[in-house]
Amino acid sequence: QVHLQESGPGLVKSSQTLSLTCTVSGGSISSDSYYWSWIRQPAGKGLEWIGRIYTSGSTNYNPSLKSRLNILVDTSKNQFSLKLSSVTAADTAMYYCARGPVVPAALTNYFDFWGQGTLVTVSS
Amino acid sequence: SYVLTQPASVSVAPGETARIPCGGKNIGSKSVNWYQQKPGQAPVLVIHYDTDRPSGIPERFSGSNSGNTATLTISRVEAGDEADYYCQVWDSTTDHVEFGEGTKLTVL
Repeated sequence: QVHLQESGPGLVKSSQTLSLTCTVSGGSISSDSYYWSWIRQPAGKGLEWIGRIYTSGSTNYNPSLKSRLNILVDTSKNQFSLKLSSVTAADTAMYYCARGPVVPAALTNYFDFWGQGTLVTVSS
Repeated sequence: SYVLTQPASVSVAPGETARIPCGGKNIGSKSVNWYQQKPGQAPVLVIHYDTDRPSGIPERFSGSNSGNTATLTISRVEAGDEADYYCQVWDSTTDHVEFGEGTKLTVL
């Protein structure tokens, strides 16, 4: 069974870059059957999709974050990462990584396995 | 962007049926997925492709999707079903994921 684990600093200063890594075990991130996504959730609020990456390095980003966002994949380490620049207090949230199966005709994108999440706080 | 609308809360007595709607313009033409999130835990997929249950999800959970509303139905509700539920679609016009605002299911 696949397992995802987020890691990275829990505290980031305002205007700096938030960097997180998701390590995948129990399956290969190089598989052509899956996308790998980042999703976040401010305390007491709903889920917000950040973006996704395919093993080839192809990405799709949430338009609201695109100008500050970079998602990368490292197949040698079976990891993918998130970099969000110029953070503010509004970026304080629980950050999840998740796996999404590739669906024929791009009909949908859903998330069948999630990490436990990591809390990132942006301080001034 | 594509907007998904969910009620903030739904309440139901144990043993009854809970129906959680998710509204969106012509959502019946999209494939809807549903997640259950309990406090302090990551979301869990309970329905994908409108009606399909992943392995391990009880048959009490079902989904439907038509017109402008998708619905998650939980039959014979148990105390353990109390959670937040989110609908989600893939917006193919913009190539990104949209989540509904979430519905808190309270078991009375």
